[in-house]
Amino acid sequence: RKEVEQDPGPFNVPEGATVAFNCTYSNSASQSFFWYRQDCRKEPKLLMSVYSSGNEDGRFTAQLNRASQYISLLIRDSKLSDSATYLCVVIGGSGNMLTFGGGTRLMVKP
Amino acid sequence: DAEITQSPRHKITETGRQVTLACHQTWNHNNMFWYRQDLGHGLRLIHYSYGVHDTNKGEVSDGYSVSRSNTEDLPLTLESAASSQTSVYFCASSEKLGLAGEKTQYFGPGTRLLVL
Repeated sequence: RKEVEQDPGPFNVPEGATVAFNCTYSNSASQSFFWYRQDCRKEPKLLMSVYSSGNEDGRFTAQLNRASQYISLLIRDSKLSDSATYLCVVIGGSGNMLTFGGGTRLMVKP
Repeated sequence: DAEITQSPRHKITETGRQVTLACHQTWNHNNMFWYRQDLGHGLRLIHYSYGVHDTNKGEVSDGYSVSRSNTEDLPLTLESAASSQTSVYFCASSEKLGLAGEKTQYFGPGTRLLVL
């Protein structure tokens, strides 16, 4: 079983839709969690950290469920520019390194 | 502005050749990392360094080596390139890892390597 798992998608949604991704992690000792965004043929960039109490940044909301060992990302009012691959990242599992999920691809259509 | 760069951006080489990929950051970050990204595997850690003269093996280190002679650079060497090493390689750096709210990793633009 992979340490960090994501549904690869693609998620095809119309502009203005609300879409949510989940990511599960296997190591209960994991300490820190992030969502990265990666555009096609580009490098990953930090989208947001995920805090235990949940956090929001504009149209994006991240939540952590330690009991069930998953994190989620909710995108409201989807824009065409949100089309990208979203990578779930977990720290603290193996030697305090970042462990990446395989990514979830989002395609927002007009 | 501070940044992290990689060179070359694209490279074609032959099996058995030695290849070195460069990574240079101007943030003065202590931590530097090399990853490879392949379809079906996501990003996998090759080697990392927490400071000058410090190097450590990651998840997929076989066939690769790194050296850290200064803060700014962490070159990645493929000792004898194999077709299985065809991939996209990303370098990253960070000031700190860990606790929520601290800075995480910044990635370079990537190097696309094709081994024939």
